[in-house]
Amino acid sequence: DADVTQTPRNRITKTGKRIMLECSQTKGHDRMYWYRQDPGLGLQLIYYSFDVKDINKGEISDGYSVSRQAQAKFSLSLESAIPNQTALYFCATSDYGEDTQYFGPGTRLTVL
Amino acid sequence: AQSVSQHNHHVILSEAASLELGCNYSYGGTVNLFWYVQYPGQHLQLLLKYFSGDPLVKGIKGFEAEFIKSKFSFNLRKPSVQWSDTAEYFCAVKDTDKLIFGTGTRLQVFP
Repeated sequence: DADVTQTPRNRITKTGKRIMLECSQTKGHDRMYWYRQDPGLGLQLIYYSFDVKDINKGEISDGYSVSRQAQAKFSLSLESAIPNQTALYFCATSDYGEDTQYFGPGTRLTVL
Repeated sequence: AQSVSQHNHHVILSEAASLELGCNYSYGGTVNLFWYVQYPGQHLQLLLKYFSGDPLVKGIKGFEAEFIKSKFSFNLRKPSVQWSDTAEYFCAVKDTDKLIFGTGTRLQVFP
């Protein structure tokens, strides 16, 4: 869905490196989310934000941080990457009062 | 907090077979329920959703789901699958302001 974009689409990094994944949306939605997807575990919520000044931890926030730079931008950082953070990361958005979430194409992250 | 169980982890069908994927959520009250699909190499897309009203919900591509309150279930069905339905299917329930996803069911359809 071109309304929600993620960069980069693929990233290989080394243990201990700091990396940032970026998400942008043109849907005008207030709410943005970061998930990680692991085989057999489904999607787990890392962080979510209901507006620029609102940041909330999800189920698995340890080792991650986020920044909501603007309504349209929500970045996820791995402060010091470790191999078990190898996963597929998805950004999603939703509108206030609407529970349907719209997903970006994902970022495949490999930590060596 | 809500939780979602998808008991079928991997389903293999031949084309034209009927499909039913199970989804159970943990507790009642007012629930908003969703089915998302993830085709190989793609992002998640909404198949259908239930908020209220008719418990039989019709979605895209011939899919439907039935909300059965007494069973805490929201099973996904399709009468005749196609090879192009090969994908991973996720059930989700709204919990406060978040969606809680199940672990997914991988569907493989062979011609």
